[in-house]
Amino acid sequence: DTGVSQDPRHKITKRGQNVTFRCDPISEHNRLYWYRQTLGQGPEFLTYFQNEAQLEKSRLLSDRFSAERPKGSFSTLEIQRTEQGDSAMYLCASSFLLAGVGNEQFFGPGTRLTVL
Amino acid sequence: AQRVTQPEKLLSVFKGAPVELKCNYSYSGSPELFWYVQYSRQRLQLLLRHISRESIKGFTADLNKGETSFHLKKPFAQEEDSAMYYCALSGGYGGSQGNLIFGKGTKLSVKP
Repeated sequence: DTGVSQDPRHKITKRGQNVTFRCDPISEHNRLYWYRQTLGQGPEFLTYFQNEAQLEKSRLLSDRFSAERPKGSFSTLEIQRTEQGDSAMYLCASSFLLAGVGNEQFFGPGTRLTVL
Repeated sequence: AQRVTQPEKLLSVFKGAPVELKCNYSYSGSPELFWYVQYSRQRLQLLLRHISRESIKGFTADLNKGETSFHLKKPFAQEEDSAMYYCALSGGYGGSQGNLIFGKGTKLSVKP
């Protein structure tokens, strides 16, 4: 297990197109998070899953964004009808939560999205 | 509102000088505080968390609830400490709430 992986690492698309990113967390981690990071900012929370359940969504996650984690393992983040403002680094992280304690999140390398 | 503030975008020091990266937070409950670091061309990784009370790579950070601060300190900076540092907060006991709230980050540059 080499840690959290994300695919693709870079994506260039035209405005209005749909894009999908994949995240493979560290195995046995039951929590999976998506963040977005723009230039000069820290990562901003988008959504997270505990196993298959999507527990929380940020207001940043407009109705053009959807995330899934169908079998409690990998996750996908889809952006429909992309806009130039969606250009950012999309980060995935995973963690193992046991008995309500512990939140060290391990981050992937990110997917850099450029919308032309 | 939950917020993490890192007032310095860039901090530049000479090798061997002391370093303090400031972090202030706003949270109504009992948060867990973290420092994450991102070295050039590497992914974001945890440096330390306040509940561990550890010293990692010579860095320490003490949670001051009265001042709502979690400043990161190192007595003698090394060139390999040059990186982007993010302070982050997680709500709930033991960080159980889930998502992390990050500051905007401070870029530390250690000159030879």
